Amino acid sequence: DAGVIQSPRHEVTEMGQEVTLRCKPISGHDYLFWYRQTMMRGLELLIYFNNNVPIDDSGMPEDRFSAKMPNASFSTLKIQPSEPRDSAVYFCASRGVSLSNEQFFGPGTRLTVL
Amino acid sequence: ILNVEQSPQSLHVQEGDSTNFTCSFPSSNFYALHWYRWETAKSPEALFVMTLNGDEKKKGRISATLNTKEGYSYLYIKGSQPEDSATYLCAKGGNTPLVFGKGTRLSVIA
Repeated sequence: DAGVIQSPRHEVTEMGQEVTLRCKPISGHDYLFWYRQTMMRGLELLIYFNNNVPIDDSGMPEDRFSAKMPNASFSTLKIQPSEPRDSAVYFCASRGVSLSNEQFFGPGTRLTVL
Repeated sequence: ILNVEQSPQSLHVQEGDSTNFTCSFPSSNFYALHWYRWETAKSPEALFVMTLNGDEKKKGRISATLNTKEGYSYLYIKGSQPEDSATYLCAKGGNTPLVFGKGTRLSVIA
């Protein structure tokens, strides 16, 4: 398996533009997580899905952020409109059914909003 | 302890030194404790998953211990090498998503 796949790896955009980040979880995993990493707050959980259904989105910072998981192999995180303070690395992770609850992380998308 | 806390926040050691850092977590509703190694510009990679009180795990020069009753885990690195430089994250697992600490950033100076 190729692991968790994220695209793009880097995104530079201007304030006010819409940004869409994409994630393909590991095949067979039924949980998907979106995290944001910043210097100030470390790794923050934004939202997670179980069997394509959003379970907890309390970490989504504002209404400008939205996430979808239309099927088991694809999820998007959208920011509209983007702001400079959204600049961060966004990680997607997935996990299957296991005793350990181990999560596997994607390579991340580094977002810069100018 | 309400959150997962790690100390120190950062650490600089000389090559060859041994070092250790701490992860503290709420002992209630314990399920598992995870350690991840996170290199700059890469994604976190799992090091250990520990579930039992008194667990000790080892991978090469890195080892970890777990005390679930008092809510802490130690990560030890023996004979640090420059390639050990990374941020080491711990996370408490349960029926909910992993709750991560902010990590300990280790720099090993050659």
